[in-house]
Amino acid sequence: DAKTTQPTSMDCAEGRAANLPCNHSTISGNEYVYWYRQIHSQGPQYIIHGLKNNETNEMASLIITEDRKSSTLILPHATLRDTAVYYCIVRAQGAQKLVFGQGTRLTINP
Amino acid sequence: DTAVSQTPKYLVTQMGNDKSIKCEQNLGHDTMYWYKQDSKKFLKIMFSYNNKELIINETVPNRFSPKSPDKAHLNLHINSLELGDSAVYFCASSQGPGRKNIQYFGAGTRLSVL
Repeated sequence: DAKTTQPTSMDCAEGRAANLPCNHSTISGNEYVYWYRQIHSQGPQYIIHGLKNNETNEMASLIITEDRKSSTLILPHATLRDTAVYYCIVRAQGAQKLVFGQGTRLTINP
Repeated sequence: DTAVSQTPKYLVTQMGNDKSIKCEQNLGHDTMYWYKQDSKKFLKIMFSYNNKELIINETVPNRFSPKSPDKAHLNLHINSLELGDSAVYFCASSQGPGRKNIQYFGAGTRLSVL
């Protein structure tokens, strides 16, 4: 699985959009980009995933650059409950395991 | 009606003891996993079972033995506990390999070995 690089921490004001970047410059053609988050003292939670097109669901939007070497997770209106560690994971189709990096610790401030 | 449930939530025990952590999923998934999150918060996969068959074993010491009595359950038994086994253990499940292999995690079991 390709390696990902994320900022260690970020802050965002409540009600604003939180934009979390991820670099995955060695991603290969059959690898998807997944985002999970882990709220304090809870298990990881799936957010969204994509291959090359931008994706949106009820939780977030995922923007993948045309060369697929980086992506951005967007939480459109961050709330205090969005404070968590966000993990960007690259995984090949059919691969079983998730390889977690250090993630980005996102703090939403009132 | 929790999707992936683990018991116990907390486990405090002495070195050398044997303990088990249970995991059950009611999602009808075929694949289940155990992950370990150490004190530095890194999450690493330990095992994966698909339809009761072991498919991933990430060089975990053989003191750790997963057991899957059916595809809805994956229990983790740990023999001769060591201080370094102290961590949070997460169970997860997914439909199986494939494009939408989304994993659903339990709330974790915090194991403290004294």
